[in-house]
Parts: sequence; structure tokens; C-alpha cells
Amino acid sequence: ELKVEQNPLFLSMQEGKNYTIYCNYSTTSDRLYWYRQDPGKSLESLFVLLSNGAVKQEGRLMASLDTKARLSTLHITAAVHDLSATYFCAVVPGYALNFGKGTSLLVTP
Amino acid sequence: NAGVTQTPKFQVLKTGQSMTLQCAQDMNHNSMYWYRQDPGMGLRLIYYSASEGTTDKGEVPNGYNVSRLNKREFSLRLESAAPSQTSVYFCASSDRDSIYEQYFGPGTRLTVT
Repeated sequence: ELKVEQNPLFLSMQEGKNYTIYCNYSTTSDRLYWYRQDPGKSLESLFVLLSNGAVKQEGRLMASLDTKARLSTLHITAAVHDLSATYFCAVVPGYALNFGKGTSLLVTP
Repeated sequence: NAGVTQTPKFQVLKTGQSMTLQCAQDMNHNSMYWYRQDPGMGLRLIYYSASEGTTDKGEVPNGYNVSRLNKREFSLRLESAAPSQTSVYFCASSDRDSIYEQYFGPGTRLTVT
């Protein structure tokens, strides 16, 4: 059974601090996706990681992929309140996405 | 270019009632998906359609049926709604040209009483 595990599931952090969200998955996947979801809203694509060692950055967020370790990280640099949301990673062993349970991030002053 | 649209946005059903959730995309994508989202569970795949004319079960298909009406439209039907089907339903689409990145609709919030 495919497992996609994110940790932590809940994260409260102060503005200006750095933190990393981890995504481990249990089966081979040649690509990994990160999505953001604001409360009551749909999912917005953040990153698509296509190969081992892939690193992508957008603003204060940076995602990386290690396919050998079956691990992806989402690093937050100097957090701001606007980053408060739930972040999901997902892998594609077949046709459809298999999601982690999500990490709820709250950035406080 | 509306992307992925879903109707209705909200719905309340009584146990045993039926309804169809509609989804349409205007991105010419071949693949379409239905997910449900429950608190603490992430998103779980109900059904997907890899291309027009094909549908396949996902992780949680029981109690649902789907129809891929044409390339643009993929509907989800609840034949006899149960309280366990109270959830938020998302439709998504993707294509090889977009590296199978999935684009999601706004969701339908369904409550079954």
C-alpha cells in the first residue's frame, strides 16, 4: 500500500523564522507535486519536481526532491503571515495523485 | 479561460437522495479526476478518467458512479446519498503536456443529513 507521510501535520511558527516540511513516500514515483490550500478554497499548484535532485524556488518557498531516499522537503525562509495555509505533497505511482494528509501552517507575529 | 468549473458549489441532501456533481474543463486535457477531501484525511481519489471513453476506480469508489460525457465533462453521481458521503468534492484535470500537473476546480461542499 502506498503511503505518503508528511510531517509535521501542524506547524505554528513566528514571522521571520525558517522551517522545513518533510514528505516521505513509500513507492517509486518519478515526479512529486506540492500544493497549497487556503481555508475553504481549492488547491493551488506550487511546485512540480521531476527528477532526483530537483530544486525549485518561488519567493520564500523552496522545494527539493531526493528520489533515492523517497523524500521531498519544502523549506520556508523568513516566514510571513501570508504563508499561513495547508501544504500538501503528492506523488504519482500511476495515473492519479496520492496525497499526504497535509501540513497546516500558521505564521504568527 | 475558466480552467476547471464545478457545479453546484454547495448542496444539502437527505439520506437516500441522489444527485450529480458536474465538472467541466476548457484546457483540452485528456485526464480528469474526482477526489473527496475530509478533515485530517488529505484528498482521496474516487474515480478517474485517463481519456475520453474510459473510467477507472480510485481508492474510495463505493457509493459513486461517474460518466465521462465528452472530453470536457466528467460527472460524479451519488445514487443513494449517505451521511458518510458528507465531504468536499474536487474535480481536477491534467494532461501529458502539462507534466500531468493537476488543475483543481473550486470544489462542491456536500452535506448529507
